[in-house]
Amino acid sequence: EAGVTQFPSHSVIEKGQTVTLRCDPISGHDNLYWYRRVMGKEIKFLLHFVKESKQDESGMPNNRFLAERTGGTYSTLKVQPAELEDSGVYFCASSQGTWDRTKETQYFGPGTRLLVL
Amino acid sequence: AQKVTQAQTEISVVEKEDVTLDCVYETRDTTYYLFWYKQPPSGELVFLIRRNSFDEQNEISGRYSWNFQKSTSSFNFTITASQVVDSAVYFCALALYGQNFVFGPGTRLSVLP
Repeated sequence: EAGVTQFPSHSVIEKGQTVTLRCDPISGHDNLYWYRRVMGKEIKFLLHFVKESKQDESGMPNNRFLAERTGGTYSTLKVQPAELEDSGVYFCASSQGTWDRTKETQYFGPGTRLLVL
Repeated sequence: AQKVTQAQTEISVVEKEDVTLDCVYETRDTTYYLFWYKQPPSGELVFLIRRNSFDEQNEISGRYSWNFQKSTSSFNFTITASQVVDSAVYFCALALYGQNFVFGPGTRLSVLP
């Protein structure tokens, strides 16, 4: 079974440009999460999708960030316009979303390393 | 609000030594879930273990063991006979059911040959 995949693995852009990150969750996982780790600090939650709906977007830093999950499959996270402080590693995770709590584990992708110059 | 503390920023040990990584958590909820993830130099987060708050049994998996103590709100991770391949950043995380993770700041473990 394929794990969570993210594209691109690395992205270097200039301040003011737009970047779109993509996440493909594990097949059949209803829950999809975005996190980021900025400047070696804690990994911070950004938002949570349940299928195509945004369940919790309380971690989104500002309106320069837009996440979508059309059709409840893959998700994109767009940063427009990018600022220097957006540099970091963006992780995506997915979980099954079953009512069996013993199975509710988030599996993470490899992350996208974003550098804004 | 939930919080996870990993007081050890960096640890260095010599191969074959045992090492314990500390994790202390805070939550007012009685049902919660604790996790450890490993981030090797390649960058991905690798799931190691999940522990439910209602299951205080300690667990051993090969050279890895975890000590969960609700009385002290701790979920410590021990690597026995460490190896160079264990070098990584280790994250402890806390979650309520169906909610996002709260991560600790991570502990960077360096195992020297």
